[in-house]
Amino acid sequence: AQSVTQPDIHITVSEGASLELRCNYSYGATPYLFWYVQSPGQGLQLLLKYFSGDTLVQGIKGFEAEFKRSQSSFNLRKPSVHWSDAAEYFCAVGNRFSGGYNKLIFGAGTRLAVHP
Amino acid sequence: EPEVTQTPSHQVTQMGQEVILRCVPISNHLYFYWYRQILGQKVEFLVSFYNNEISEKSEIFDDQFSVERPDGSNFTLKIRSTKLEDSAMYFCASSEASIGYTFGSGTRLTVV
Repeated sequence: AQSVTQPDIHITVSEGASLELRCNYSYGATPYLFWYVQSPGQGLQLLLKYFSGDTLVQGIKGFEAEFKRSQSSFNLRKPSVHWSDAAEYFCAVGNRFSGGYNKLIFGAGTRLAVHP
Repeated sequence: EPEVTQTPSHQVTQMGQEVILRCVPISNHLYFYWYRQILGQKVEFLVSFYNNEISEKSEIFDDQFSVERPDGSNFTLKIRSTKLEDSAMYFCASSEASIGYTFGSGTRLTVV
């Protein structure tokens, strides 16, 4: 069965420090991979997605993620964190069924706190 | 940028009442979805909908839930007899077949 694991429930970093949020997935074929960000009480905003091709994906707000098939990972990175990045981050895996639709399986999320 | 619109943003209902959550997907999208997020927990798939029928539903999506696309633009989720455990944020999403989702901003449902 498909699954997504985000090993870190909470992470705290200082403003200006680098960030890496981990995501591991279990899926039989090449998945579609996504990172979403959610501020408190808000909806889900897509940061970036991987479908195929270059395994290093650039997203919005200065985020990037690297797909590593051998490690079944899709870690999210940012070189310098801003206080406004404090939020919850969700990794998700999707698969395209023969019917064309795309069901997402989400990880449990990583809550990021940023110290000034 | 096109958006998925959900109304209302917050709904409070009494246990046992019926609620309808409304969504307007992006106009050229063909696939529609509902997800649920209980407070503090992960986002969970409820149902996908294409060509006026359900493509897949999760175990959560039992007989008290139903979806409908009544008029070609709206996509609704109905909960027939709400329970306390239905309190959650409900997200609507739409997609084209090969492109990632767009989520709405959610409806927070509180059952009292």
